[in-house]
Amino acid sequence: AQSVTQLGSHVSVSEGALVLLRCNYSSSVPPYLFWYVQYPNQGLQLLLKYTSAATLVKGINGFEAEFKKSETSFHLTKPSAHMSDAAEYFCAVRGRYSGAGSYQLTFGKGTKLSVIP
Amino acid sequence: EPEVTQTPSHQVTQMGQEVILRCVPISNHLYFYWYRQILGQKVEFLVSFYNNEISEKSEIFDDQFSVERPDGSNFTLKIRSTKLEDSAMYFCASRGLLNQETQYFGPGTRLLVL
Repeated sequence: AQSVTQLGSHVSVSEGALVLLRCNYSSSVPPYLFWYVQYPNQGLQLLLKYTSAATLVKGINGFEAEFKKSETSFHLTKPSAHMSDAAEYFCAVRGRYSGAGSYQLTFGKGTKLSVIP
Repeated sequence: EPEVTQTPSHQVTQMGQEVILRCVPISNHLYFYWYRQILGQKVEFLVSFYNNEISEKSEIFDDQFSVERPDGSNFTLKIRSTKLEDSAMYFCASRGLLNQETQYFGPGTRLLVL
């Protein structure tokens, strides 16, 4: 079984400031981890994913995340926030192996990022 | 770039009515999913579908729900008799054989049951 906790339902940062969105996971099997972003009135877009290669993963739009097994974390960061980063961000986990093969994703509640000019 | 599409974007229905939500997955994908997100809550898995049958479903996916791939392109979610608590955003997703770990999501259908 898997679960995801995202700390902070709403995060505000100033334009140009560091973005840090927190995600902790629980998984009974080695995980795959994902960050998705949802812009207003749009679907979920994959930002980046961890699939057991490098622990520091780079994604689109300057975002990156680091898988830390000892802390069961997969926090999302971006050095300098841009107004266009304002959106809702979802962390998700999937077991690397699934007997049923369907590989369903388990999501966190999401964090809404606001960027202040 | 290929994408998952969903129709309608919004649907309002009366309690007890049947609704069908439609999805067109990415064309060479073989695995299909429905998720839902009740306002303010987590995105939750409903059902996965492969080779014309359900491969996994959650406890939310009771007898009121059904899925179908009526032709080579559409994937539908039917709710037989809607309840107030079915009001949510419903997301369709698909994945292929290559890049297996990634699910691609549609923009969602916002369902409101009155």
